[in-house]
Amino acid sequence: KAGVTQTPRYLIKTRGQQVTLSCSPISGHRSVSWYQQTPGQGLQFLFEYFSETQRNKGNFPGRFSGRQFSNSRSEMNVSTLELGDSALYLCASSGITGEGETQYFGPGTRLLVL
Amino acid sequence: GESVGLHLPTLSVQEGDNSIINCAYSNSASDYFIWYKQESGKGPQFIIDIRSNMDKRQGQRVTVLLNKTVKHLSLQIAATQPGDSAVYFCAESNQAGNNRKLIWGLGTSLAVNP
Repeated sequence: KAGVTQTPRYLIKTRGQQVTLSCSPISGHRSVSWYQQTPGQGLQFLFEYFSETQRNKGNFPGRFSGRQFSNSRSEMNVSTLELGDSALYLCASSGITGEGETQYFGPGTRLLVL
Repeated sequence: GESVGLHLPTLSVQEGDNSIINCAYSNSASDYFIWYKQESGKGPQFIIDIRSNMDKRQGQRVTVLLNKTVKHLSLQIAATQPGDSAVYFCAESNQAGNNRKLIWGLGTSLAVNP
């Protein structure tokens, strides 16, 4: 089975711009979660989508948004970029292991805001 | 200026020794726990999981121990190898209404000395 894929892998933007990141989950997985990871704050939950609906949301401003398509692929958008948005953005899709629901991560998109 | 950030706890071990990485979780209602390994430049990878009705689970060279009394989780790696060098995250999961929430620890950096 192919793993979670994220595009692009690297991105450089300037303050005030907007960016869209894409995530393709593992085939058959219906839940996609997004995280922001920075050295200073660790892994911060952004939101989770399940069957095209946002199911959970973290504590990020409205500049961060997402959506999920009928094929479970997901996108996240950040508008009016700030320097502090520089981070690794990780996408994870959920499936069932022997014990519970485990998240499988993609390689991430590294965003640098100048 | 001076930057203020989170410094990950670091565990340094000799190759061949056993490693123990500890994690304190926050919610006594959490019923599912997962360990992830994140190597430099990659997304977190699932290592092992455990449900709250167990106190020990073994995988290949890894063992997870759960102590619900003190809300403590540990990951033991036997015969640590240089390839085990990574940041290790624990995550706790609990049901909140109709949603299942995943809460992440801040991570521990494991350095294996050859």
